[in-house]
Amino acid sequence: QQQVKQSPQSLIVQKGGISIINCAYENTAFDYFPWYQQFPGKGPALLIAIRPDVSEKKEGRFTISFNKSAKQFSLHIMDSQPGDSATYFCAASGDSGSARQLTFGSGTQLTVLP
Amino acid sequence: KAGVTQTPRYLIKTRGQQVTLSCSPISGHRSVSWYQQTPGQGLQFLFEYFSETQRNKGNFPGRFSGRQFSNSRSEMNVSTLELGDSALYLCASSLVAPSYNEQFFGPGTRLTVL
Repeated sequence: QQQVKQSPQSLIVQKGGISIINCAYENTAFDYFPWYQQFPGKGPALLIAIRPDVSEKKEGRFTISFNKSAKQFSLHIMDSQPGDSATYFCAASGDSGSARQLTFGSGTQLTVLP
Repeated sequence: KAGVTQTPRYLIKTRGQQVTLSCSPISGHRSVSWYQQTPGQGLQFLFEYFSETQRNKGNFPGRFSGRQFSNSRSEMNVSTLELGDSALYLCASSLVAPSYNEQFFGPGTRLTVL
C-alpha cells in the first residue's frame, strides 16, 4: 500500500529531446507528489510537486502530468540538456495523523547526450 | 537563506561502534525528517521530529534513534553499528502546513561501517 513504482531505471536522451519518467502508486491516501533531482555527492533537490486536484503542473522545462484514476504521475523534461543528467526520484506522501513522510520511487538515472 | 546543513559529511566507523549525526534545518523550519539512502533499498524514511517530539517512525530497528532540540536542530544516533548501516543519511526540513509540506534535503552524511 505504501509502494511507489518508478520506471525506467535508466534513460538516455539526446540533447534537445524529451525525457519522460513514470511513477505509479497504490495508496489512495497519498495527496502530495513531488519530484526530486539528485546529483552525485549531493542531497535530493526538490524540483516540482503536484497535488491531485490538478492534472498538470508546469515549471519552466519541467512538467508533471497526474492521472488520479490510474494512480499514475509522470515527469516530462522538455528540451533536455546535458546539465539535466542526474538521478530523478518521484515521491508521494499522505497525512498519517499529524505527521508526513515521503515514500520514494527507486529512481531513474537520466543521461542527456550532447 | 541558508539550506539544511549536516555534519559530519563523511564518517568511518567499525562494527559495534555507535555514531551520532547532526542536522541543522533551514531557519524557521520546525519539522526535521531523516532518511537512509542505499543503492539496494533506495531512500527510506527513518523518523520525523517536530517540537522535540517524534511524530512518525519508519521500519527500522531500535538501534536507530533521534532527538530534536528546542532550536529545531536534530541528531540521529545509531548504536551497535552493522555493515549494512553503511549508507548516505539525509536530513530534510520543512515548515508545518495543514495539508502538505515541502521537504528540503541537506547534503547528507556518508557513513561507512568497516
